[in-house]
Amino acid sequence: GESVGLHLPTLSVQEGDNSIINCAYSNSASDYFIWYKQESGKGPQFIIDIRSNMDKRQGQRVTVLLNKTVKHLSLQIAATQPGDSAVYFCAENIRGSSNTGKLIFGQGTTLQVKP
Amino acid sequence: DVKVTQSSRYLVKRTGEKVFLECVQDMDHENMFWYRQDPGLGLRLIYFSYDVKMKEKGDIPEGYSVSREKKERFSLILESASTNQTSMYLCASSLRARGPKPQHFGDGTRLSIL
Repeated sequence: GESVGLHLPTLSVQEGDNSIINCAYSNSASDYFIWYKQESGKGPQFIIDIRSNMDKRQGQRVTVLLNKTVKHLSLQIAATQPGDSAVYFCAENIRGSSNTGKLIFGQGTTLQVKP
Repeated sequence: DVKVTQSSRYLVKRTGEKVFLECVQDMDHENMFWYRQDPGLGLRLIYFSYDVKMKEKGDIPEGYSVSREKKERFSLILESASTNQTSMYLCASSLRARGPKPQHFGDGTRLSIL
């Protein structure tokens, strides 16, 4: 399954398939990006981050890809499980604001995993 | 693991009341943040603090104030609660370092103003 930008707020995938969640950012001065997962009734939970000097970073079952040319960020989840059902947010830090730690958050994509 | 604790999960208050939301973090983070989260509007920054007794307005500070008397504690105050302040409130903290660091969130306080 694949979502295309923030105008597709819900992504539905079959259990065991790979999921790709996309995020577009507009500020070319952004130098740090984070993906968060928010389950129902909980706060956002850090998943993985990437700095702008990298194109790809892998974690456990997750990969983040950064394409600075088109200002696009994606989160790939391998072998999606029911426990992956949640809202996923991207967030960015604009260069120069790192001392205050301010982040700009996307609207979020809801991932639904069908058994 | 970083732990950010918000004092209440659910809170019901009346219009005009002064409301205090408390947040405590245990990782000695310099930066702390208050957001509200509403359907369709995402996370909006109310106030943040980068040190004790320091505070800066975020994107929607009207009707709110904050207090940071100790490094680990950041309080959000609704001076005179109104129904349009019914929302999910999220507190976060992050380390101030040479490079950017992720924010770590509490589980939120769902506040209803009647």
